[in-house]
Amino acid sequence: GQNIDQPTEMTATEGAIVQINCTYQTSGFNGLFWYQQHAGEAPTFLSYNVLDGLEEKGRFSSFLSRSKGYSYLLLKELQMKDSASYLCAVRLRPGGSYIPTFGRGTSLIVHP
Amino acid sequence: EAQVTQNPRYLITVTGKKLTVTCSQNMNHEYMSWYRQDPGLGLRQIYYSMNVEVTDKGDVPEGYKVSRKEKRNFPLILESPSPNQTSLYFCASSSAGYNEQFFGPGTRLTVL
Repeated sequence: GQNIDQPTEMTATEGAIVQINCTYQTSGFNGLFWYQQHAGEAPTFLSYNVLDGLEEKGRFSSFLSRSKGYSYLLLKELQMKDSASYLCAVRLRPGGSYIPTFGRGTSLIVHP
Repeated sequence: EAQVTQNPRYLITVTGKKLTVTCSQNMNHEYMSWYRQDPGLGLRQIYYSMNVEVTDKGDVPEGYKVSRKEKRNFPLILESPSPNQTSLYFCASSSAGYNEQFFGPGTRLTVL
């Protein structure tokens, strides 16, 4: 089965750092994605982790611990435009379907 | 320009009137999928396809049909729409050897 949990909403201040957590309980885990989605728009890809550790990409970093079923997305030097929903998605069945299953998303509000 | 297109972008219809939402991608991607997005529920997978003539059910397939007769197209068919199918629909595609999913702009469907 699959159960992907992330906080519903978070708020942070412009210029600060925020960490958005995602936990999952799945069988056949084969990678975890983070997507960003602004209101009324399509999701856009941020990161992909399949091995344990931290992947850094500019102001955004993503971490994975497979043994703990845990990931986080770290956003540094927050900007107002970072206000969006952040979607954690897990890919299942190694060698099978490559279509990920999404959590419910975390709405991030950045205020001045 | 590499893209996923969906049509129509907005549709208001009545219960029971068959409709089709088209999805087309120009990136020669093998994998295509349909999601619906509802407040508080996140993105839920309806159907996916791993190649031409290969389709499979996602998490919420009831009331929907799909077909994959050509690689670039993956239409979503609602034979007899009902009000509980009022939602925001996204089509997405990805290549077999890569991880990022590209999403279409979304179709906002209202069934009265």
